Amino acid sequence: GQQLNQSPQSMFIQEGEDVSMNCTSSSIFNTWLWYKQDPGEGPVLLIALYKAGELTSNGRLTAQFGITRKDSFLNISASIPSDVGIYFCAGLNTDKLIFGTGTRLQVFP
Amino acid sequence: DTEVTQTPKHLVMGMTNKKSLKCEQHMGHRAMYWYKQKAKKPPELMFVYSYEKLSINESVPSRFSPECPNSSLLNLHLHALQPEDSALYLCASSPAWLPNEKLFFGSGTQLSVL
Repeated sequence: GQQLNQSPQSMFIQEGEDVSMNCTSSSIFNTWLWYKQDPGEGPVLLIALYKAGELTSNGRLTAQFGITRKDSFLNISASIPSDVGIYFCAGLNTDKLIFGTGTRLQVFP
Repeated sequence: DTEVTQTPKHLVMGMTNKKSLKCEQHMGHRAMYWYKQKAKKPPELMFVYSYEKLSINESVPSRFSPECPNSSLLNLHLHALQPEDSALYLCASSPAWLPNEKLFFGSGTQLSVL
C-alpha cells in the first residue's frame, strides 16, 4: 500500500541534543499525525495537525504541517533517554490513515 | 479516558487452532480499526468498522474474520493461520471514520503462529 517517506531512517544522538525529522508525500493530506512507538507497544499519539502551515507544540516536541500539505516536520528539543523509540508520521486523507516508514531514535547518555 | 484495551497481550497458536483477539474502548468512538504490523515496519490497515458496520476490508484473507458486537467492542477471529501471519496486531479507535480526525491505538497483541 501507499507509504510516506520519512527521513532520516535512524538517528543516534547524545542526550541534550535537538532532533529534527521529516515526512514527505507525493499526495496532499488534510491532517498530519505524529506517533511514537516503543517495542512491543502500540503507537502513542504525540501531535495532530489540521491546517497547512500550522505549528503545534507538546512539551519538548514541536511539529509543523507543511504549506504544500505534502510534508510535515517534527522537532524534539533537549532529548532525554526516554525519547528512544520509533517515530511515525501519518497522513489522513478522506478515509484512511497512511503511515510513514518511521524514524528510529537512539539517545545515548 | 483515552484508552484502547487489547487482550491478550501475547498469543501463540498452531496453524490448526482457532483463537480470537479482543479490543475495547469506552471513549464513545464510533470507528474502530484493525492494523497488522510486522517488525520494523509501519502498521498496515486491515479493517475499518464505522457505526458497527464493516466499511473497509483491505483484501485481507478470510482466515481473519472481524466482528463488531457493539460500539465499544471489536474482535478479530483467527483460523488456520500461517507462520507469516505472525505479527503485532493493533486495534485503534477514532471519534468517527468520516471525517477522520485522529486514531488512538491499543498496546497490541503479539501473535506467533507455529
